[in-house]
Amino acid sequence: GAGVSQSPSNKVTEKGKDVELRCDPISGHTALYWYRQSLGQGLEFLIYFQGNSAPDKSGLPSDRFSAERTGGSVSTLTIQRTQQEDSAVYLCASSDYSSRTPNEQFFGPGTRLTVL
Amino acid sequence: GEDVEQSLFLSVREGDSSVINCTYTDSSSTYLYWYKQEPGAGLQLLTYIFSNMDMKQDQRLTVLLNKKDKHLSLRIADTQTGDSAIYFCAESMERAGKSTFGDGTTLTVKP
Repeated sequence: GAGVSQSPSNKVTEKGKDVELRCDPISGHTALYWYRQSLGQGLEFLIYFQGNSAPDKSGLPSDRFSAERTGGSVSTLTIQRTQQEDSAVYLCASSDYSSRTPNEQFFGPGTRLTVL
Repeated sequence: GEDVEQSLFLSVREGDSSVINCTYTDSSSTYLYWYKQEPGAGLQLLTYIFSNMDMKQDQRLTVLLNKKDKHLSLRIADTQTGDSAIYFCAESMERAGKSTFGDGTTLTVKP
């Protein structure tokens, strides 16, 4: 596709339910990132995938959060037993080593998650 | 670890210049970026600068880097209402890898 896409664009769930958020990066991009943006807050790094290397999970806030990237392309962020404090916009970005601008990240439009 | 700090809000009049400031802690930062986020959208790269440069100009945008003080600024000349957005400063040590983002500065341009 032309850019990074994310689905769903909006997700409303009840406290305690599990949710899955999907990211389709730009085709051929080897790196994929997940961030969380809470209302009035900055960008919080969650997890980073680079090629076939083990992902950098240092930003995941708890073991309720997990992510996988299948076939080096699509990624799914899973939040188990959602809590109200998980309400935020979840942003995905991708980048490629061969990009003309070093380490430029291309962002999707985000998924707005609301936990009731 | 790396830390990037920005003031949270800036308000200017249309036609004035805007200056958004950023400080970072990691002297190993090689690339420094400014991203723009418009309402309801993801971030989009505006411009970047290598750490061995002092200044970069791109049309209405001027980036100044003071490496000694670890201070980065973005000046927008002749600010327009369409420039109203959140501006994020970010740094990266490598050509490929994680970037550290600041909390973003919300720029409001009043007519």
